[in-house]
Amino acid sequence: AAGVIQSPRHLIKEKRETATLKCYPIPRHDTVYWYQQGPGQDPQFLISFYEKMQSDKGSIPDRFSAQQFSDYHSELNMSSLELGDSALYFCASSLGARGGGDADTQYFGPGTRLTVL
Amino acid sequence: GQNIDQPTEMTATEGAIVQINCTYQTSGFNGLFWYQQHAGEAPTFLSYNVLDGLEEKGRFSSFLSRSKGYSYLLLKELQMKDSASYLCAGMDSNYQLIWGAGTKLIIKP
Repeated sequence: AAGVIQSPRHLIKEKRETATLKCYPIPRHDTVYWYQQGPGQDPQFLISFYEKMQSDKGSIPDRFSAQQFSDYHSELNMSSLELGDSALYFCASSLGARGGGDADTQYFGPGTRLTVL
Repeated sequence: GQNIDQPTEMTATEGAIVQINCTYQTSGFNGLFWYQQHAGEAPTFLSYNVLDGLEEKGRFSSFLSRSKGYSYLLLKELQMKDSASYLCAGMDSNYQLIWGAGTKLIIKP
């Protein structure tokens, strides 16, 4: 079965540079979530989109922005990168019915490992 | 506030059974999820409970008691590949997942 696709899988940037991470959800999934996960930590929710509109906002820094496009893929744009931004960035998708049940189960992509030097 | 508590680390023997407990406090409740995560990899969905009781899926089972704010993940016939972190997450009234810090499960031969 098709899964969530993320690109790139690995990214190395210098401080103060910008980065763009891409996420392609599972077909027919209209909700996308972005998470940041540091070593030994649980995933920290950044932001989510439902039907191309921002639905929830978590601990996303002001230096980051994101959007969901008409084909439901999403991009996370990160500017003025700092050393502390080095982490795994996961995208997850769900059917997003918000009616409870399996439709709200989030399925994760393989992640992008961002290293800021 | 919202909170998920689970043990930091557990050790079990190959072939045995282990139960990972989780207590939760969320603003509203739309289900309790368990994910498995190997180091450096993505969380993989294991189970979802929204009603009280036990859900069985092969070697893995998950239990929920809403009145006690309690869940557990039961792993049977442990295999070395089950060594991983197990994340408990509660879904709140806004359909956001509130994550526990994860339980690192170490399987010994």
